Amino acid sequence: KAGVTQTPRYLIKTRGQQVTLSCSPISGHRSVSWYQQTPGQGLQFLFEYFSETQRNKGNFPGRFSGRQFSNSRSEMNVSTLELGDSALYLCASSLDMTGAQYFGAGTRLSVL
Amino acid sequence: KNEVEQSPQNLTAQEGEFITINCSYSVGISALHWLQQHPGGGIVSLFMLSSGKKKHGRLIATINIQEKHSSLHITASHPRDSAVYICAVRGAQKLVFGQGTRLTINP
Repeated sequence: KAGVTQTPRYLIKTRGQQVTLSCSPISGHRSVSWYQQTPGQGLQFLFEYFSETQRNKGNFPGRFSGRQFSNSRSEMNVSTLELGDSALYLCASSLDMTGAQYFGAGTRLSVL
Repeated sequence: KNEVEQSPQNLTAQEGEFITINCSYSVGISALHWLQQHPGGGIVSLFMLSSGKKKHGRLIATINIQEKHSSLHITASHPRDSAVYICAVRGAQKLVFGQGTRLTINP
């Protein structure tokens, strides 16, 4: 089985722009979660989707949004980028919301 | 105080040593995860447990629900075990992560 695929792997944007990151889960997995990792804050939960519905959301501003499609693929969007949004964004999939999570390699976003 | 505390933050040991990394949490949980992150960012899920003990190869994870504490043990450590080990707990709605333990195993 193919693992969790995140695209793109690297991204450079400037302040004020917006960005869309993509995550393709392991086949058969219906839950997708997104995380932000920075040196200062460590790993933080962004949101979790199951069956195309956002089930849980972390403490991030409304500039961070996401969605899940009927094939379980997910995207997250960050609008009006700020320097502090520079981070590694990780996606993880699981069979359901309680199962073991399998992580993608991440998208490293740099905001200049 | 963070909801998930790991200790130590950094650990350097010689090849072959027995390693213990600790995780304490303050919230009610449904499961606890141990994750491994190598340089470059990739994260591997090592264990998910809600009670007792699990073993996989040289890795052992234990959890004491009453004491809200978990340990990750590595037997016969090897330089390839060098990584950041992260404890994460699943609370009511989300995963909450510890700050990680950076493990370096010298040959």
